[in-house]
Amino acid sequence: EAGVVQSPRYKIIEKKQPVAFWCNPISGHNTLYWYRQNLGQGPELLIRYENEEAVDDSQLPKDRFSAERLKGVDSTLKIQPAELGDSAVYLCASSGRRYEQYFGPGTRLTVT
Amino acid sequence: AQRVTQPEKLLSVFKGAPVELKCNYSYSGSPELFWYVQYSRQRLQLLLRHISRESIKGFTADLNKGETSFHLKKPFAQEEDSAMYYCAPLGKFYFGSGTKLNVKP
Repeated sequence: EAGVVQSPRYKIIEKKQPVAFWCNPISGHNTLYWYRQNLGQGPELLIRYENEEAVDDSQLPKDRFSAERLKGVDSTLKIQPAELGDSAVYLCASSGRRYEQYFGPGTRLTVT
Repeated sequence: AQRVTQPEKLLSVFKGAPVELKCNYSYSGSPELFWYVQYSRQRLQLLLRHISRESIKGFTADLNKGETSFHLKKPFAQEEDSAMYYCAPLGKFYFGSGTKLNVKP
């Protein structure tokens, strides 16, 4: 079992450019989460999916961020256009019925 | 507003000393908590769920309802315990800001 897979691991882009992150959760996990983690902080939820439905996207900056989980399995998080303040680690996690979250390695985004 | 707070950003102890990490909560509902750990260059992972009453890697977790705080404890710290520790309430999907535990030789 590979666990939660994320790609890319690192991304450096210039501001105003688009960027996309991909996540493949643990097989059988219906719940998928995207978090943003700034330096020295805990993860902050951006969006939570139950299967293909986004059940909590209240913290997602919808003017520039979008996410999808079309078939209820893997998911993509997009930023367009990126801003300097978007530099952070973007974490994907998945969970089964017990709410215990399993995290991917994260994507470290640097916006210059 | 943050509803769990970890008052210590950094906790340094010597090997063999007891360790206690704290997580204060202010949310309503049944107080159940997960402790997650992130070792250097590894992904964030679940350490234990306080209600399970398990001991994982020598750590146990308990709840002090009077102080509205959770505690993660280990009687004798080891160098390999050095990591970032985060608390997260069950079913709430937010985390504390973390405590960095540094166990010195």
